[in-house]
Amino acid sequence: QSALTQPASVSGSPGQSITISCTGTSSDVGSYNAVSWYQHHPGKAPKVMIYEGSKRPSGVSNRFSGSKSGNTASLTISGLQAEDEADYYCCSYAGSSTFWVFGGGTKLTVL
Amino acid sequence: QVQLQESGPGLVKPSETLSLTCTVSGGSISSGSYYWSWIRQPAGKGLEWIGRIYTSGSTNYNPSLKSRVTISVDTSKNQFSLKLSSVTAADTAVYYCARRDTRTDAFDIWGQGTMVTVSS
Repeated sequence: QSALTQPASVSGSPGQSITISCTGTSSDVGSYNAVSWYQHHPGKAPKVMIYEGSKRPSGVSNRFSGSKSGNTASLTISGLQAEDEADYYCCSYAGSSTFWVFGGGTKLTVL
Repeated sequence: QVQLQESGPGLVKPSETLSLTCTVSGGSISSGSYYWSWIRQPAGKGLEWIGRIYTSGSTNYNPSLKSRVTISVDTSKNQFSLKLSSVTAADTAVYYCARRDTRTDAFDIWGQGTMVTVSS
């Protein structure tokens, strides 16, 4: 059982928008501005899509956006494209004892 | 461009020690802005942070694995390594090495991962 809770799967049609939630606690997501999101195509290296809750690394499409409310962080992908089909993981800092916790991952299917 | 590559045995016997190495290419492991981590993913499950090391040798470990984990660094070889002792089938997973950028608090570069199976 992962520390952060994500839906197992989400789906959407090309051009649509989807949102993936990531629910933690006041000890991790709720306490730190350190949520990051990773895209993982099986067999490849995971890729950071969002860091510090809402910032995009250079080179990441502005179709990807992040937000946080209380103990829940969210990743929104707008204008879905076939290449967005992948697994997505959230991650949060959880203090100087636990350090980093991840979600169980969400499989995005582009219909 | 910095790249990470994991290497090590794909099969380890129960009760033995799992040993993996991550080789950093395209940049120096001694850069002051990064921590170097190990992360794993059991089949069908989420990611789990194992631990990290700074080039000074300072380490931090996941409390749930701390008694069995050792992470070390060899700056002369631009590598860092993971040792996990007394393994069981529950340690079967894909193991990733990753770089954490202290400026963004994100794991910005990952290896492709290596599958390790614990079985007799």
